[in-house]
Amino acid sequence: AQSVTQLDSQVPVFEEAPVELRCNYSSSVSVYLFWYVQYPNQGLQLLLKYLSGSTLVKGINGFEAEFNKSQTSFHLRKPSVHISDTAEYFCAVTPGSGNTGKLIFGQGTTLQVKP
Amino acid sequence: ETGVTQTPRHLVMGMTNKKSLKCEQHLGHNAMYWYKQSAKKPLELMFVYSLEERVENNSVPSRFSPECPNSSHLFLHLHTLQPEDSALYLCASSQNAGIETQYFGPGTRLLVL
Repeated sequence: AQSVTQLDSQVPVFEEAPVELRCNYSSSVSVYLFWYVQYPNQGLQLLLKYLSGSTLVKGINGFEAEFNKSQTSFHLRKPSVHISDTAEYFCAVTPGSGNTGKLIFGQGTTLQVKP
Repeated sequence: ETGVTQTPRHLVMGMTNKKSLKCEQHLGHNAMYWYKQSAKKPLELMFVYSLEERVENNSVPSRFSPECPNSSHLFLHLHTLQPEDSALYLCASSQNAGIETQYFGPGTRLLVL
């Protein structure tokens, strides 16, 4: 079985500052990793995903994440945030084989960007 | 209409009512999903349909009954719900069931009284 832990429930940050949202996972098999964003009153939108290859993954809106297998982490980063980045961010995993599309999500991190 | 749409956006129902949630995807995808998003809890996958066949049932109580009449439509029939079933119900679709990107609808906010 897989599980995901997002270590921070809320992250307040000032506009134009860098930010890192932390995600750790647990799994006995290989996994694929995802970050989704949910803006107020909207559904989730994919930011980026890691399937294979380079461990540094670049996504939309200037976000990137790095897969670290030894630390079982997939932290999300952005060098300079905007007010419009205020949203809920979800890390998710899915098993690398026998996959039926089942995503296992973390509890989410609320990013609050202040002017 | 584009993407994934859900109706209604808000629903209030009593514990003895029967209602249905509707999801429609306009992306030509073959897989559709129902998720439950409760406050302070991770999103929980409820059901997965691939080519109109249910391939995943994540131990969901029988008071939730999914229906997938074709690859573009997905329903969630609700009956004799409990107050703890109040949540945001999200529908998603993907090209196929697997590692492909899931596209989410805006959700139906359900309140059970």
